[in-house]
Formats: sequence, structure tokens, C-alpha cells
Amino acid sequence: DSGVTQTPKHLITATGQRVTLRCSPRSGDLSVYWYQQSLDQGLQFLIHYYNGEERAKGNILERFSAQQFPDLHSELNLSSLELGDSALYFCASSIHFRDRRYFGPGTRLTVL
Amino acid sequence: AQTVTQSQPEMSVQEAETVTLSCTYDTSESDYYLFWYKQPPSRQMILVIRQEAYKQQNATENRFSVNFQKAAKSFSLKISDSQLGDAAMYFCAYKETSGSRLTFGEGTQLTVNP
Repeated sequence: DSGVTQTPKHLITATGQRVTLRCSPRSGDLSVYWYQQSLDQGLQFLIHYYNGEERAKGNILERFSAQQFPDLHSELNLSSLELGDSALYFCASSIHFRDRRYFGPGTRLTVL
Repeated sequence: AQTVTQSQPEMSVQEAETVTLSCTYDTSESDYYLFWYKQPPSRQMILVIRQEAYKQQNATENRFSVNFQKAAKSFSLKISDSQLGDAAMYFCAYKETSGSRLTFGEGTQLTVNP
């Protein structure tokens, strides 16, 4: 158990819908990272938040957004969902961006 | 942009034997980190081993060791005394020292035969 929690574990929805994925980092970790793992694209970095502020953006679509709240949990919002958004979405956390990342168990999103 | 390449989509090894997984990367940076992650069927991403580029000594963690060749931009993982529980997808990853992003390779699926 990495100490990072993600909810829900599985999510099935339809094209055009909007979903929110939630991540709680390890206690004391200020950084939260989101990654997408799909068959087509492999493991892709989406975005990094540090203590509530966006620090880096990767291959995140404009239909996706994220935020980190004062209690340091983070949410990834995916809207206007397409079939190709079906993937495993990981959250990871670390104390500082230089430190080891601890990955959560992931949220499996299926778009029908 | 940094890239990470794993040229072996699949590998297999007999239990108790040794196997080496290959990884090459491309970067213009001189200081960075390299990692091997394991993803078993549970899909959890587990850090196996980490190497800091400024350290010449190869990292080791119990049965896992790396061969880091900085000039050749090569970073292979050796698993000794392979166990059934080592069966998983293994990902090589790169991170700039001051960067946010982990860049992953395509992965190598390791099968351990009893």
C-alpha cells in the first residue's frame, strides 16, 4: 500500500459525459501528479500540482482539467468524453518534485 | 524532448535464473534520474530501483541491479534468482533532476516460468 488513495476504482460512462476522479496523497506530500495509461499512448504525464498551484502541464487535453484543494487532495475532471479517453488514470504524490513518487492504485475509466 | 525506449516488448525467464531488461534513453541533460517500475496484474505501479545520473556506482536493491552506461545512454535492469512474483510489466522511466514529469518507455512484459 503506497498510502495514495484514488476513487473510484472503476468508472463506466458514456461519450459526451463528464466525470471527476479523486486522489488523496500520502500524508505530508505536497505534490500530486496525474498520469494516463492507455493502450495507444502508453503512460503519459498529464499535470503536476504543488501545494495547490499548478507546476507543470504535460499532454493534458483542453477537455481535461485538474485542481488541488487546501487539504491537498486533487481532482481530475474529464469532460466531453470520447471513446479514446478510456484508460487507467494514476495519481502519484511526493513531498517535493525531487523526491520519489508514490503511485495510487489507479482509476479505470471506460467510455462506452 | 526526452525519449525512453524499451526494445523488448516481451521477455521470459525460468524461475531461479537471471534476466536482463534493456532500456535506452535520449537526453541533452547531464543530471537526471532513471527508474525501473514494476506493474503486476493488479496494475499498481511499484518502484523497483532508482539511479541518479551523477552517481557512477550502479544501484542495487536485493535481487535487482542496474547497469548504467551514461555515455551510451543505456540503463538495463538485471533480476537475479527470478521468482514467480517477478512476473509483471516493467517500465523504464526518466526524470530531469528539477522536472515534474516522468517519461516512461513502452514497457517489457516479463514472464517467469516455473
